[in-house]
Amino acid sequence: GAVVSQHPSRVICKSGTSVKIECRSLDFQATTMFWYRQFPKQSLMLMATSNEGSKATYEQGVEKDKFLINHASLTLSTLTVTSAHPEDSSFYICSAREGVKVYEQYFGPGTRLTVT
Amino acid sequence: AQSVTQLGSHVSVSEGALVLLRCNYSSSVPPYLFWYVQYPNQGLQLLLKYTSAATLVKGINGFEAEFKKSETSFHLTKPSAHMSDAAEYFCAVSARDDKIIFGKGTRLHILP
Repeated sequence: GAVVSQHPSRVICKSGTSVKIECRSLDFQATTMFWYRQFPKQSLMLMATSNEGSKATYEQGVEKDKFLINHASLTLSTLTVTSAHPEDSSFYICSAREGVKVYEQYFGPGTRLTVT
Repeated sequence: AQSVTQLGSHVSVSEGALVLLRCNYSSSVPPYLFWYVQYPNQGLQLLLKYTSAATLVKGINGFEAEFKKSETSFHLTKPSAHMSDAAEYFCAVSARDDKIIFGKGTRLHILP
């Protein structure tokens, strides 16, 4: 149980285009979903927290107009990178929290975004 | 505010030897503590977690960690390293029902 999927696993897009990444909780309802960014050989940095039906809460320094997060249902959250540039290339990981306890958070397999 | 410091960005051990990955935390409230493992180009897998029950926590794949409040430490150990243990390991802390803050990670290399 407690499986989180991401789609796509890898995506290459041209500079200036937008790309959408999906995060789904497959066998549980996620009250909260999180989006992280991981640069090569570095740690995960929390980008934003989203609750179903509410606007996402972005961490300091994260451009909310560039990284659009939608949490339309209890099993689906999407991250859209708008007008992508090469510096947006990174590994994006989502996680989903089943209840209110922080240790009930499960991570997806990640999406490798490359902007050319 | 919470933070974790992982000592050593790279650790090498011989196959069959003891694995010790060090983590010290800082938290203004009693913390939850975690160890995650990440294989190349994959997401995170939870190895074990401390949630204020037993101070010695056993996890998957033979790993365990001990919460030592006096030392603000949560070191990860495994008695005998296996080649399949080669990966990136992240220590993390949370102030309960809040965000998870990750350390910078330690890459574990297993020498044949």
